[in-house]
Amino acid sequence: DTEVTQTPKHLVMGMTNKKSLKCEQHMGHRAMYWYKQKAKKPPELMFVYSYEKLSINESVPSRFSPECPNSSLLNLHLHALQPEDSALYLCASSQEPRTGTGGGRETQYFGPGTRLLVL
Amino acid sequence: QKEVEQNSGPLSVPEGAIASLNCTYSDRGSQSFFWYRQYSGKSPELIMSIYSNGDKEDGRFTAQLNKASQYVSLLIRDSQPSDSATYLCAVRSGGYQKVTFGIGTKLQVIP
Repeated sequence: DTEVTQTPKHLVMGMTNKKSLKCEQHMGHRAMYWYKQKAKKPPELMFVYSYEKLSINESVPSRFSPECPNSSLLNLHLHALQPEDSALYLCASSQEPRTGTGGGRETQYFGPGTRLLVL
Repeated sequence: QKEVEQNSGPLSVPEGAIASLNCTYSDRGSQSFFWYRQYSGKSPELIMSIYSNGDKEDGRFTAQLNKASQYVSLLIRDSQPSDSATYLCAVRSGGYQKVTFGIGTKLQVIP
């Protein structure tokens, strides 16, 4: 089973709203990722969690706040977003060896995404 | 300088033909290479992964890697209209958690 689930599928929010995106996987993966994808562009990495700790933050604005409550769940809290933040938000997960000597072969599996529209 | 380069296309091929998708990358230390297929409005789906020089075949798909030339390709044999999608080349390098995607090549298979 290589399933990553994301909720909600679609989200419309105003610039003053607070909302959260959720991601879940039960593959035992210890690395989880948030990507943002605009139309006709490749996915852009936002955050990486490794063993429930934030390991990469690609200089994402503070209006995006990630959270990894346990090894299966990943949240992205949204607050005071701008219309240009409208995009497809993708969650992914992969195996991640604790020693960091896995040779980089771990494959990322993507969830179906949340289509976000900020008005 | 872009780290992973692909021709954005569209690449049009007739049904039953071989589609050839190409990708080059800039980091010689790159270790892992992936091809994802993405239908419009959907999330990327892994098609192939390749780690060593040479060819790797899986059904109608063959991935080719040439690390000396920093080049990776995907061949799709007997192309079907259902193969029409954007194909993203992804490369893992410089710290094994980060994967960089190319812009993607849009493939159109004409019935």
